[in-house]
Amino acid sequence: ETGVTQTPRHLVMGMTNKKSLKCEQHLGHNAMYWYKQSAKKPLELMFVYSLEERVENNSVPSRFSPECPNSSHLFLHLHTLQPEDSALYLCASSQDARTDTQYFGPGTRLTVL
Amino acid sequence: KNQVEQSPQSLIILEGKNCTLQCNYTVSPFSNLRWYKQDTGRGPVSLTIMTFSENTKSNGRYTATLDADTKQSSLHITASQLSDSASYICVVSFITNDYKLSFGAGTTVTVRA
Repeated sequence: ETGVTQTPRHLVMGMTNKKSLKCEQHLGHNAMYWYKQSAKKPLELMFVYSLEERVENNSVPSRFSPECPNSSHLFLHLHTLQPEDSALYLCASSQDARTDTQYFGPGTRLTVL
Repeated sequence: KNQVEQSPQSLIILEGKNCTLQCNYTVSPFSNLRWYKQDTGRGPVSLTIMTFSENTKSNGRYTATLDADTKQSSLHITASQLSDSASYICVVSFITNDYKLSFGAGTTVTVRA
């Protein structure tokens, strides 16, 4: 185990639903990340948080809303998603945002119907 | 165009055989290069990391090489085992005002008995 947990592991939702993904890291890190992984494509960085402040937002649609209440927890709130949003959503953490050694969680497999 | 290209996209090998995966990158200025292994349903786990001055790095049956002049890296798997079936992702770190990561799309390796 990498010390990064994600729940749920699988999620199926309709386009009108609202759901949230949760990530928790037990490593004492100060930076956390959300990535989207689609089949046969490179990981896409979505959001970066450092000390609970969002430091990067890579032009992600507003139907994805992150929340970082403290340095150990990260959420991704989902609403009005599209079928093309179906993917594996990975959370990662690192000691700080200037450290490139990242530890990944197992991911949430999201299917939007 | 992605700055990290991996080949082949997928390959199938027999248990006990060797294989080599390729990674070409155009990222600059280069900081380091990592190979990650991602098992199905899991997040990526770091296998090796190499800086500019390192030509080779081993982790058990995995050996990574780096040619910073030609901007090429390879990952060699020796005496493959069924547990080597996974996606292998090349990740290049580069520095602008802060560090950035550029991900390859991965090579899917299937080891058959």
